Amino acid sequence: EAQVTQNPRYLITVTGKKLTVTCSQNMNHEYMSWYRQDPGLGLRQIYYSMNVEVTDKGDVPEGYKVSRKEKRNFPLILESPSPNQTSLYFCASSIGLFGTDTYEQYFGPGTRLTVT
Amino acid sequence: AQSVSQHNHHVILSEAASLELGCNYSYGGTVNLFWYVQYPGQHLQLLLKYFSGDPLVKGIKGFEAEFIKSKFSFNLRKPSVQWSDTAEYFCAVISPVTNAGKSTFGDGTTLTVKP
Repeated sequence: EAQVTQNPRYLITVTGKKLTVTCSQNMNHEYMSWYRQDPGLGLRQIYYSMNVEVTDKGDVPEGYKVSRKEKRNFPLILESPSPNQTSLYFCASSIGLFGTDTYEQYFGPGTRLTVT
Repeated sequence: AQSVSQHNHHVILSEAASLELGCNYSYGGTVNLFWYVQYPGQHLQLLLKYFSGDPLVKGIKGFEAEFIKSKFSFNLRKPSVQWSDTAEYFCAVISPVTNAGKSTFGDGTTLTVKP
């Protein structure tokens, strides 16, 4: 079954304790992206990756890191989490080339992160 | 920079009523436009998308949207809503020529359909 998986689904942590949220897709998609969803603000893009070893900042990259060492995985790293990073995080991957009519994002189930 | 504005934050309708959700984007160049739906407790799913050609786009579940370039708009419509359409709806834009890789979403519109 084609899918995007995220782990963990729920995480409560404390300020400053490094954490990683994993994202994996089994569809051989080249494009992957991370978003955070906050009430009243919609989805905001954190980082994206057009292919292996190619990553770039979205609109809200501060406090986050990513890596893309292999096509299927795109982990999101919070080196020193702070309470303002409490949010619902979604990973997405895209079939087709960015900007073509085959482009379509498939979203993971989300990771709800609470930083106290 | 590209941006997306969704005018209605919360819409309440009765079943069988018609729906129109507004979406305006700011970027003047080539854009691709999307509507996504998020049912309660679930992840986002694509409803429909516009890349080029016919500005009237039909999607899943009876939804359609019209791209009006002169108005920078991409409004979502459905002639008769059902209780199962209760969800949050997001409009999104990409500008593949100048901002390759970046996706910008609107704030979302929560639709509640009363049975």
